[in-house]
Amino acid sequence: DAGVIQSPRHEVTEMGQEVTLRCKPISGHNSLFWYRQTMMRGLELLIYFNNNVPIDDSGMPEDRFSAKMPNASFSTLKIQPSEPRDSAVYFCASSLGIGTDTQYFGPGTRLTVL
Amino acid sequence: AQSVSQHNHHVILSEAASLELGCNYSYGGTVNLFWYVQYPGQHLQLLLKYFSGDPLVKGIKGFEAEFIKSKFSFNLRKPSVQWSDTAEYFCAVKNAGNNRKLIWGLGTSLAVNP
Repeated sequence: DAGVIQSPRHEVTEMGQEVTLRCKPISGHNSLFWYRQTMMRGLELLIYFNNNVPIDDSGMPEDRFSAKMPNASFSTLKIQPSEPRDSAVYFCASSLGIGTDTQYFGPGTRLTVL
Repeated sequence: AQSVSQHNHHVILSEAASLELGCNYSYGGTVNLFWYVQYPGQHLQLLLKYFSGDPLVKGIKGFEAEFIKSKFSFNLRKPSVQWSDTAEYFCAVKNAGNNRKLIWGLGTSLAVNP
């Protein structure tokens, strides 16, 4: 199995630009999670989906952030417009979505907003 | 609100030393507990998890953790560390049941000197 796939691995952009991060979960997994990792705040859950439906988006910082999951094999996290404080590593994870299931993480996208 | 506290932010050990990383959580109900590890340049992966049964859980690479309900703790241990254990370690807690959301500690950075 290829594991969770994220793209791009690195993104450098200028303040004000739109940024789109992509994630392909493990086939057969029906829960998908978006996390942000920074030195100051550690690992924060932004949003998670179950069966393509957003369940909890309470971690999304503000309206500049949005996430979609149009089908079981693809999700996007969009930041519009981006700001320097959005610089972080963004992880996507997926799980089978039942009981005490393990979350499997992707390699992350390192975002730098100048 | 639920929270997870990892008391040691940075730990430096010599090879063969024993390791114990603290993790405490605040939630009075039934929980599932996890330790994840992030090796340098790699993504997070599961080290071990507890959901029921024997409170002493054994994971990969010689790690173990003990769930002490009365202390709301789930400390990670390894009797003899190796240089390859250098990594960031994260404790996470989830309400037992259908809630998929993990609450994460800020992580402990472990450096093992050869």
